[in-house]
Amino acid sequence: QKEVEQNSGPLSVPEGAIASLNCTYSDRGSQSFFWYRQYSGKSPELIMSIYSNGDKEDGRFTAQLNKASQYVSLLIRDSQPSDSATYLCAADTFGNEKLTFGTGTRLTIIP
Amino acid sequence: GAVVSQHPSWVICKSGTSVKIECRSLDFQATTMFWYRQFPKQSLMLMATSNEGSKATYEQGVEKDKFLINHASLTLSTLTVTSAHPEDSSFYICSASPGTVPNQPQHFGDGTRLSIL
Repeated sequence: QKEVEQNSGPLSVPEGAIASLNCTYSDRGSQSFFWYRQYSGKSPELIMSIYSNGDKEDGRFTAQLNKASQYVSLLIRDSQPSDSATYLCAADTFGNEKLTFGTGTRLTIIP
Repeated sequence: GAVVSQHPSWVICKSGTSVKIECRSLDFQATTMFWYRQFPKQSLMLMATSNEGSKATYEQGVEKDKFLINHASLTLSTLTVTSAHPEDSSFYICSASPGTVPNQPQHFGDGTRLSIL
């Protein structure tokens, strides 16, 4: 069964520090990877997408992809209390538009 | 761009009622839309893939006769929960991607919180 796995947390990080979120996937055929942020009671919001090995930076966010090791990570620099949310990792595991989501990591930024 | 609108945002109704949820892509056309369900403190569970002009594809364990999906146009998909019961209470979310270029991310509607009394 194709899976995406995340540490459920909670992960607590002091304000201003770097938050590091990790995700592994089982299907080597996966081509597209996404990080979504979900606030409590709200729907997921796209943070980053990454398709190639290496790093992709967007503001305070950096996504990292290592296809050989089958992991994806998200770094949040200068963490803010507003970053406190559940972060969902998703992979396009079927080679089409369907996504498989991890269970999410709950991140808390401590002021 | 890539805005997905979902309506209603909140529904409370009696057991046995049928409830229709609408999902619209506002600034792009979507041949494919997805319907998810999320229970408290759990991740998203894909219920079905909605295909414009054809039948929806349901995930294993999802009753197609209970969760009716219609995707009559390139901008609108509807999910009807028929004869809803308390166990159907959940957060229902739709998503879509422009799909003009492969591997584009999905964008989510704001979700519909369904409470069956």
